[in-house]
Amino acid sequence: SQQGEEDPQALSIQEGENATMNCSYKTSINNLQWYRQNSGRGLVHLILIRSNEREKHSGRLRVTLDTSKKSSSLLITASRAADTASYFCATEGNSGYSTLTFGKGTMLLVSP
Amino acid sequence: NAGVTQTPKFQVLKTGQSMTLQCAQDMNHEYMSWYRQDPGMGLRLIHYSVGAGITDQGEVPNGYNVSRSTTEDFPLRLLSAAPSQTSVYFCASSRQGGRYGYTFGSGTRLTVV
Repeated sequence: SQQGEEDPQALSIQEGENATMNCSYKTSINNLQWYRQNSGRGLVHLILIRSNEREKHSGRLRVTLDTSKKSSSLLITASRAADTASYFCATEGNSGYSTLTFGKGTMLLVSP
Repeated sequence: NAGVTQTPKFQVLKTGQSMTLQCAQDMNHEYMSWYRQDPGMGLRLIHYSVGAGITDQGEVPNGYNVSRSTTEDFPLRLLSAAPSQTSVYFCASSRQGGRYGYTFGSGTRLTVV
């Protein structure tokens, strides 16, 4: 079953604008990760935030995590056309062997 | 480093045929996983391995077998292909599990007719 659920399912913005995607999950986690997938390609790891962290930055990416609400957000600042892709959140559980459970993704379109 | 290499990139099978999807990584990662991705869905875990000789089932294991005889290779076998197995298959590897992020292959697009 899907652990993470991203919101919105699709997002269309202009270059230079900020893009915010949200992810909700159901069970306790060790960490939450965000991946990008360009059309027809494999997934690329963007950023990981641990359950004891509240915010993390990497370049134009900012991720927040609220474990009390079981939710996370990914902010891409000053979006570029090259940011057009699908974005997935994935959670690593905190019991047994670690595997990643993915959400259904947010499709981001950045227009020039 | 080549990272995670998947072959073939495309495959068409007839119902009932068997085949093996190959996955190899050259990063000495302990963890390897197979996912399938269907339209409008995220990735669903088929099988995973935490080291050579150790495999376990994921969310959707039926119709698939795996083995891990070496650290580098993690092939996925379709025993008797069915149209429901039409999908894009991704192999991924990681050091010590997902806590360091996974490296994904470029995928195998499989069509079963």
